[in-house]
Amino acid sequence: EIVLTQSPATLSLSPGERATLSCRASQSLSSYLAWYQQKPGQAPRLLIYDASNRATGIPARFSGSGSGTDFTLTISSLEPEDFAVYYCQQRSNWPPEFTFGPGTKVDIK
Amino acid sequence: QLQLQESGPGLVKPSETLSLTCTVSGGSISSSSYYWGWIRQPPGKGLEWIGSIYYSGSTYYNPSLKSRVTISVDTSKNQFSLKLSSVTAADTAVYYCAVATIRRFDYWGQGTLVTVSS
Repeated sequence: EIVLTQSPATLSLSPGERATLSCRASQSLSSYLAWYQQKPGQAPRLLIYDASNRATGIPARFSGSGSGTDFTLTISSLEPEDFAVYYCQQRSNWPPEFTFGPGTKVDIK
Repeated sequence: QLQLQESGPGLVKPSETLSLTCTVSGGSISSSSYYWGWIRQPPGKGLEWIGSIYYSGSTYYNPSLKSRVTISVDTSKNQFSLKLSSVTAADTAVYYCAVATIRRFDYWGQGTLVTVSS
């Protein structure tokens, strides 16, 4: 079973600052990692897939990078609506089992 | 664009079976492009994948829940369903249905809270 670890657990920043979130996998994922944003009371929203591809309608301030076991989600300049919880997710090759990381909460400093 | 909507009881008694349905619109549940899945989130906690079903009917379950989970598809109604047996309070969560294109969940339902309590 592939385990995903996210750090930090909480990131306290001000609007306009840069956010850097980390996701580490227990085994190599190649580039098959996704990132989601979740706001209170809402379903998660896909931000990034295949490590670095923005999903439809996602602003350019969100970017993803990494491969193998280490991945990063960067928000270049935080907007008020970006304060939320962010999860990484992978799917194993076979059987196709999905796992999520524990999440990083980005809150207002 | 695909849209998904969960439905089912919001309260289930301990030891009984939780049953939820996800209705899909904007696309066919028979499409070979998608895995249809269920994910849950206990109050204040993270996301847990429950299982997925492919258009062929093949099912894949979280090993930690496998003995209690059944996911099925009803192509005539464009729906897929979740059954989770022998529930306890630990199964109280918001349950989401979602569709995965190969390796990520592109579209999600709004989620439904299921509480396990007598």
